[in-house]
Amino acid sequence: GQNIDQPTEMTATEGAIVQINCTYQTSGFNGLFWYQQHAGEAPTFLSYNVLDGLEEKGRFSSFLSRSKGYSYLLLKELQMKDSASYLCAVREYNTDKLIFGTGTRLQVFP
Amino acid sequence: GAVVSQHPSRVICKSGTSVKIECRSLDFQATTMFWYRQFPKQSLMLMATSNEGSKATYEQGVEKDKFLINHASLTLSTLTVTSAHPEDSSFYICSAEDGQRTNYGYTFGSGTRLTVV
Repeated sequence: GQNIDQPTEMTATEGAIVQINCTYQTSGFNGLFWYQQHAGEAPTFLSYNVLDGLEEKGRFSSFLSRSKGYSYLLLKELQMKDSASYLCAVREYNTDKLIFGTGTRLQVFP
Repeated sequence: GAVVSQHPSRVICKSGTSVKIECRSLDFQATTMFWYRQFPKQSLMLMATSNEGSKATYEQGVEKDKFLINHASLTLSTLTVTSAHPEDSSFYICSAEDGQRTNYGYTFGSGTRLTVV
């Protein structure tokens, strides 16, 4: 099975940098996704990591360490519109199921 | 790109009735569809995996007789909540494997807010 943990809530200030961590224990790993979700809406894809290292995409970066079962999402130059839930999800090897972590609600203050 | 159309977006039903939710892939063939449920302030919980032409695979703790999944064609999967009760009120969302067309393989529907009164 999968066990995917994230902090429940985080707060940050506009213009700052925030790092959201995700730890996972998995019986089979085939990539890790980060999504943003606003209340009542579908998740929006942010990033994908399958190899160790950092993937950068504008204000968002995601890091993966497979040996440690660890990933983080880094958000730079925070904006008010970044207030949302951030979900990490692991693709299960063999089944391609996408299993979501507990999710982190981020609030950005002025 | 790949688009999954999910309907209805919102539904209110009486306790004891059944509700059907549809997810349709508009521009690709979705051989596999995942169904999730999300309670307020919680993450997405995988309910089941449906494969075209075969029985759905349910996650542990999900009642297959209560949440009927049909995937009769390559473009349509349905979830029917039978004999709905207030505790079934939730946000239901589907996700299709889109053959790597977008976002490394998954396209989500827009979700259905179910309220059982």
